Amino acid sequence: GNSVTQMEGPVTLSEEAFLTINCTYTATGYPSLFWYVQYPGEGLQLLLKATKADDKGSNKGFEATYRKETTSFHLEKGSVQVSDSAVYFCALSDMNTGNQFYFGTGTSLTVIP
Amino acid sequence: SQTIHQWPATLVQPVGSPLSLECTVEGTSNPNLYWYRQAAGRGLQLLFYSVGIGQISSEVPQNLSASRPQDRQFILSSKKLLLSDSGFYLCAWSGGAGYYQPQHFGDGTRLSIL
Repeated sequence: GNSVTQMEGPVTLSEEAFLTINCTYTATGYPSLFWYVQYPGEGLQLLLKATKADDKGSNKGFEATYRKETTSFHLEKGSVQVSDSAVYFCALSDMNTGNQFYFGTGTSLTVIP
Repeated sequence: SQTIHQWPATLVQPVGSPLSLECTVEGTSNPNLYWYRQAAGRGLQLLFYSVGIGQISSEVPQNLSASRPQDRQFILSSKKLLLSDSGFYLCAWSGGAGYYQPQHFGDGTRLSIL
């Protein structure tokens, strides 16, 4: 079946530190991969996506590369800001189950000044 | 552009009372619609999804139900709420059947059961 595994949080970083949040997946077909961000008390916002192997999604300084050989989609940012404090969710949709998304459990990030 | 609206934003209900949460989407037609629940500090649990009017798929058996009376309207209901129904309820939509289409979320409803 399909599943997404994210690194356990919470993650606490100092401002301007490098961020990596690991995400690996299992899929029965050929998935599309997504990262979402959720700020406190709000819904999820699409951060970036990649639809095929070796694609790199990027937005607001965040990047993630679709690695089929390692079934991974790790989220990275070179220099985090306090405003990046949020919960980050990795997700996939699969061509065999196109109407459903599979979400990771979320990783909480706190950036301190 | 497309927008999604959920209401109410916050709701406090007694145990055993009924529930109706509404979600509407604007700027698109024939969207896929979803209801999720997020318990405090937890991930997302898919409750229902719909690919068309009157078509509802349930992922988790429970005392909740969903309906889609119009193309861009999705309603989550309960006849009698339980304490365990507390949580953050999120509605989402996606365009068409393409698996590469992202889901877009509303701002959520915070439901507290007393």
